[in-house]
Amino acid sequence: QSVLTQPPSVSAAPGQKVTISCSGSSSNIGNNYVSWYQQFPGTAPKLLIYENYERPSGIPDRFSGSKSGTSATLGITGLQTGDEADYYCGAWDTSLRLWVFGGGTKLTV
Amino acid sequence: EVQLVESGGDLVQPGGSLRLSCVASGFSFSNYWMHWVRQAPGKGLVWVSRINTEGTSTSYADSVKGRFTISRDNAKNTLYLQMNSLRAEDTAVYYCARGKDQSHWGQGTLVTVSS
Repeated sequence: QSVLTQPPSVSAAPGQKVTISCSGSSSNIGNNYVSWYQQFPGTAPKLLIYENYERPSGIPDRFSGSKSGTSATLGITGLQTGDEADYYCGAWDTSLRLWVFGGGTKLTV
Repeated sequence: EVQLVESGGDLVQPGGSLRLSCVASGFSFSNYWMHWVRQAPGKGLVWVSRINTEGTSTSYADSVKGRFTISRDNAKNTLYLQMNSLRAEDTAVYYCARGKDQSHWGQGTLVTVSS
């Protein structure tokens, strides 16, 4: 059971938009930055979003992040088949004093 | 270019020990917190441990506390994870990741705990 809750899977057609939610609490998402990671099978995770909505260099603006209260959302527009991957949210938990991940969401395009 | 290269993964019997290494290059290693994250086969990411820049502050997941020790050698640009009293449930790919946001990850090293 992950501290952060994500839907196990989401799907949408190519060209459409999808959102992936990440629900936490005041000790993690509510008072700390949220990061999002993309992982293709057999490869290492890659940072997509940091500090709630910032994109690292090289990440297209089709990917966006937002946060409200104790929940965060990853948005992906203009879906491509190449976006099919697992997506994880993560945040520091101040009460537990450790980093927590969501259980991951498998995106099907 | 930022590079993180893990090594040390192996097949080990339950109760055994292993030390993982993560060699960093392409950035000033001593300026960044570092993490270890693991992923069991077919499962999600699980944070294991983190260490501050000087190596004076560490945190651990409850599942490894008292068995695993994270450390670093800034002179060698290397992060370590000493794993003792290994259990079958520690079987996973272990990744090192850079910085508070885990902005860069290594390719991972596989640890298999089995008799």
